[in-house]
Amino acid sequence: GAVVSQHPSWVICKSGTSVKIECRSLDFQATTMFWYRQFPKQSLMLMATSNEGSKATYEQGVEKDKFLINHASLTLSTLTVTSAHPEDSSFYICSPRGVAGLQETQYFGPGTRLLVL
Amino acid sequence: AQSVTQLGSHVSVSEGALVLLRCNYSSSVPPYLFWYVQYPNQGLQLLLKYTSAATLVKGINGFEAEFKKSETSFHLTKPSAHMSDAAEYFCAVRKTSYDKVIFGPGTSLSVIP
Repeated sequence: GAVVSQHPSWVICKSGTSVKIECRSLDFQATTMFWYRQFPKQSLMLMATSNEGSKATYEQGVEKDKFLINHASLTLSTLTVTSAHPEDSSFYICSPRGVAGLQETQYFGPGTRLLVL
Repeated sequence: AQSVTQLGSHVSVSEGALVLLRCNYSSSVPPYLFWYVQYPNQGLQLLLKYTSAATLVKGINGFEAEFKKSETSFHLTKPSAHMSDAAEYFCAVRKTSYDKVIFGPGTSLSVIP
């Protein structure tokens, strides 16, 4: 199956700083990228959806100016948490969707754990 | 709007016993259905998926799930639990192949030796 990588796998930062998380699809073209957030002992909640070259669509309650998503290419998407605060501490998971072989499919990245002090 | 419910936030079984994790969905049309497993501090791993082919779907690690339209259910089973099955299990639904995946609240499975 396709390989999806996220970098960094974990990050600790001070409150007020910005953190950029990269998501790469290594052997297929991700025409759509989903970003999820998972708080401890909770389920995955969709934050936003982006199509390559277009602006992201955010779910209700997710601040678009705080969580900046860039999907400039078919193999790379980034999520930037701006002015991070302790309540932004979470597990962030990207999920690229595209065509692998002849089939449209969706994968999940390994996740990035963010701790804001 | 589509949604997923998982009955039982925590399930404990003895090693070697049957595993049954429940999932019910609400959707106006038969959706795509998935089961994912998440081990501690790791990402998601796809166990199996239903895409309107056979109603009984076999997945990895000996798991299988049966799609029952009349009950709007997609319960996950495994005949004999192994210690390595202890993890968090998420049922998920997607309305069409181009829609977003919505996750259920998850069920934590413990396996007692």
